[in-house]
Amino acid sequence: DGGITQSPKYLFRKEGQNVTLSCEQNLNHDAMYWYRQDPGQGLRLIYYSQIVNDFQKGDIAEGYSVSREKKESFPLTVTSAQKNPTAFYLCASSTQLVGTGDRSGNTIYFGEGSWLTVV
Amino acid sequence: AQSVTQLDSQVPVFEEAPVELRCNYSSSVSVYLFWYVQYPNQGLQLLLKYLSGSTLVKGINGFEAEFNKSQTSFHLRKPSVHISDTAEYFCAVSPLQGGSEKLVFGKGTKLTVNP
Repeated sequence: DGGITQSPKYLFRKEGQNVTLSCEQNLNHDAMYWYRQDPGQGLRLIYYSQIVNDFQKGDIAEGYSVSREKKESFPLTVTSAQKNPTAFYLCASSTQLVGTGDRSGNTIYFGEGSWLTVV
Repeated sequence: AQSVTQLDSQVPVFEEAPVELRCNYSSSVSVYLFWYVQYPNQGLQLLLKYLSGSTLVKGINGFEAEFNKSQTSFHLRKPSVHISDTAEYFCAVSPLQGGSEKLVFGKGTKLTVNP
């Protein structure tokens, strides 16, 4: 089945550590995204990538880093600079209609999410 | 910039009762509108979206929503809910020009269906 796979589902981080969340998709989507979800806050965009080897900061990129070396993969690293990393992290992807400005109507597909807790 | 207000953070209803989850948005440009559903400890799944045409949009699981441009609203409705509809529902908007990275979510409404 096509979809988005996030791992691990649960992750614990000690103070001062960097941790990496994995995201793999087999939907052949060009665009990929990372969102952070806090209770009662909705979803906030951390980083996004529209094409391999290119990515852009979202609304809350500080303390996070990403890479996009392959179309299928978009890992997120939560660095020690992120002061409040405990949250639910969602990876997502969508198609890109190259050559048209009308890309924002595309459906975004989400993975199952990863819980990160600082201990 | 766009913003989304979901007027109720929690909505409890009894099984087989009708439900309406309210969503209002603010934008200086035309937008696309979406409703997503999130079951506990899972990702989000698209329920329905409005891009153009008929203002009444039908989605999965018997849900529908009506776009009202004058009131800048996109309320979600279901005539008869089931226990399995218990979940959190997110309204989202995106400007017509640009990419899906411009999608803005509301804070969510938790729907609890009681027997």
